Amino acid sequence: AQSVAQPEDQVNVAEGNPLTVKCTYSVSGNPYLFWYVQYPNRGLQFLLKYITGDNLVKGSYGFEAEFNKSQTSFHLKKPSALVSDSALYFCAVRDGADSSYKLIFGSGTRLLVRP
Amino acid sequence: DGGITQSPKYLFRKEGQNVTLSCEQNLNHDAMYWYRQDPGQGLRLIYYSQIVNDFQKGDIAEGYSVSREKKESFPLTVTSAQKNPTAFYLCAVSLTSGGVLGEQFFGPGTRLTVL
Repeated sequence: AQSVAQPEDQVNVAEGNPLTVKCTYSVSGNPYLFWYVQYPNRGLQFLLKYITGDNLVKGSYGFEAEFNKSQTSFHLKKPSALVSDSALYFCAVRDGADSSYKLIFGSGTRLLVRP
Repeated sequence: DGGITQSPKYLFRKEGQNVTLSCEQNLNHDAMYWYRQDPGQGLRLIYYSQIVNDFQKGDIAEGYSVSREKKESFPLTVTSAQKNPTAFYLCAVSLTSGGVLGEQFFGPGTRLTVL
């Protein structure tokens, strides 16, 4: 069965420091991986995706994510955090063997960047 | 959020009432989805539709109903059979053809509160 785990409910980081938000996944076929961000009382905004190719994917607002097949992980990173990055982050996976186009979402990680 | 509208933004319902949440899109995307988001939890799929006049149950369809009479519209009805309807409801769309591997784009959400 498909699943996504975000092991940290909250990540705290100081402005200017690097940040990492962790995500691991489990699928039977090839994984298609996505990161989204949600600000309070808003819909989810697409940040980036991994489909195939280079394991390091660059996305919006300076975020990037690294696909690691052996560790089944897709951690979100940013070299220098901003206070405005504080939000709720969701990792999602689609199983390439599933024709339904459904995404499975993790439970979310709240990022708090302190000034 | 552009191209996907959800209305109303806030909705209050008395127990025993059915209510319908609207989702409209002008992106010409084939697939549409309804998710429920509860505090501290990830997104749970209620229903999805990949083509007009066809839809499938997601993980938590009980107490909900949908229709897909037009490509651009996918309304969700929360019936009185749904015992805990208070939540944030999100509509999403995605492409399903042309080799696109299905990242979803979200509307701004509707917050439903049962009084």
